Amino acid sequence: GQQVMQIPQYQHVQEGEDFTTYCNSSTTLSNIQWYKQRPGGHPVFLIQLVKSGEVKKQKRLTFQFGEAKKNSSLHITATQTTDVGTYFCARYGNKLVFGAGTILRVKS
Amino acid sequence: GAGVSQSPSNKVTEKGKDVELRCDPISGHTALYWYRQRLGQGLEFLIYFQGNSAPDKSGLPSDRFSAERTGESVSTLTIQRTQQEDSAVYLCASSLTGGNTIYFGEGSWLTVV
Repeated sequence: GQQVMQIPQYQHVQEGEDFTTYCNSSTTLSNIQWYKQRPGGHPVFLIQLVKSGEVKKQKRLTFQFGEAKKNSSLHITATQTTDVGTYFCARYGNKLVFGAGTILRVKS
Repeated sequence: GAGVSQSPSNKVTEKGKDVELRCDPISGHTALYWYRQRLGQGLEFLIYFQGNSAPDKSGLPSDRFSAERTGESVSTLTIQRTQQEDSAVYLCASSLTGGNTIYFGEGSWLTVV
C-alpha cells in the first residue's frame, strides 16, 4: 500500500556521534519529504527529494534518495543536543502519508 | 495570517460530549490536512481537502468524526460523543497545492476524561 517504513524506532547517541534514519517503501516513490518534530512541538518541513539518487545537504544533515526511488535516508554528522526530536519521512501519493518516525535522543 | 492557526490549543472534555476543532490555513493554500497524533506516536492521517472537497476521508476513525471546509479556507473537525481513546493532538496542515511542502499548525491538544 502507501505505507513507508522507518527504522530504527528509537536511537540514543552520545553528543558528537553520527545518526542515520532510514525510510523504505515496497513501491516506487514519486517523492519523499523529511520533517522534524521537536518534543512538544509540531512537525517542521526539512526537505523534499524527487530525483533518483538525489543527495542534498543542509549543514550537518545529508538526505539521500535511492536509485530505485524506494528508499531514503537522513544522516546527521556529529550530533548536537539541538538535534533531539522525532524525524519523519513522508510520501505523497494522493495524500501525504508519514512514516512512524525515529526518535533521536542525544546525551551530552 | 503568517502560519496555520488552530483553536482551541487545549481542550479538556467529558466523555460523551461533542468537540469542535478549528483550523485556519495559510491564506491561498488550497490543500488542507488533518492528522491525529497520540502521545509518543506517529502522525495518523484523518482527512484531506482540496478546496472545499474532501477527496480522501479514508482516515476518519469512525462515524463520530466529521470535517468540513468552507470558502476554501477554514476547516472544522468535529468529534461527536467523545471517547477516552480520542485523546490526542489534532494537527492541521496546509499546502499551496497537494504534493507541495505542508505547513503544520501548533495543534489542538484534546483530553477526554
